[in-house]
Amino acid sequence: QVQLQESGPGLVKPSETLSLPCTVSGASVSSGSYYWSWIRQPPGKGLEYIGYIYYSGIGSTNYSPSLKTRVTISVDTSKNQFSLKLSSVTAADTAVYYCARGPRVTFGGVIVGAFDIWGQGTMVTVSS
Amino acid sequence: EIVMTQSPATLSVSPGERATLSCRASQSVNSNLAWYQQKPGQAPRLLIYGASTRATGIPARFSGSGSGTEFTLTISSLQSEDFAVYYCQQYNNWPPFTFGQGTKLEIK
Repeated sequence: QVQLQESGPGLVKPSETLSLPCTVSGASVSSGSYYWSWIRQPPGKGLEYIGYIYYSGIGSTNYSPSLKTRVTISVDTSKNQFSLKLSSVTAADTAVYYCARGPRVTFGGVIVGAFDIWGQGTMVTVSS
Repeated sequence: EIVMTQSPATLSVSPGERATLSCRASQSVNSNLAWYQQKPGQAPRLLIYGASTRATGIPARFSGSGSGTEFTLTISSLQSEDFAVYYCQQYNNWPPFTFGQGTKLEIK
C-alpha cells in the first residue's frame, strides 16, 4: 500500500523559506513510473498545482509559472523522499500543502496526468 | 494555460437521487480529464481519469462522460458519504495542471 506523508513546520515567518519533505512508503520515488507532485489549497479555496519532479536516474522538474521563481522541488533517494522549498513567503502562501503521486507513466509510455495518491496534507501558516 | 470552469458552485440534492456536475475547459482537453472528491479536513481522492475511467476502488455509482471541452460527473444514487466538494482537473496541456474551482454537493 503506497502512502505519502508530509511533515514540517506549521508556522513560517514572512520572507523566510518554507521547507516540506514528503516521505513515500510502498513505492520508490526513483522508479521512473511516476512523477511526484506538490499541490496546495488556501483556506476555503480550491487546488493549485505547485510543481513536480520526475526521477529516473536524473531529476526533471517543472514549476507553476506563478511560483517558479521561488520554488524548488528535489528528491532524496536514500530517504525515499521528495521535498518542496518555497522562498520569500508571504501571507498569500498560507495553505494546506499536499504531496501527491502523479502523473503516471504507463508501460506503453503514455502519461496519465491524474494524481492518484495524496498525502494527508499539512497546514502552513505564514505569520510573524 | 487552460481554464477549467465548474458548475454549479453548489448543488443541493436529496439522498438517493441523481447528481450531475459539469466541468468546462477553455479549450479542448480531449479526454485528459480527472475528477476528485474532497471531504472536509481530508485530501482529495481520485474518482475518475481519462474522463470516464473509474479509479481503483471507486463505486460504480460514479460515472464520468464527455470529451473536448464539456464534461460531466454523474452520481447515480447519492449516498450520505457522497456529499463533498468535487473538482475537475485537466492534463491535456501540461504543465501546468489546472483544476476547476469546485462544486459543493450538499444535502437537500
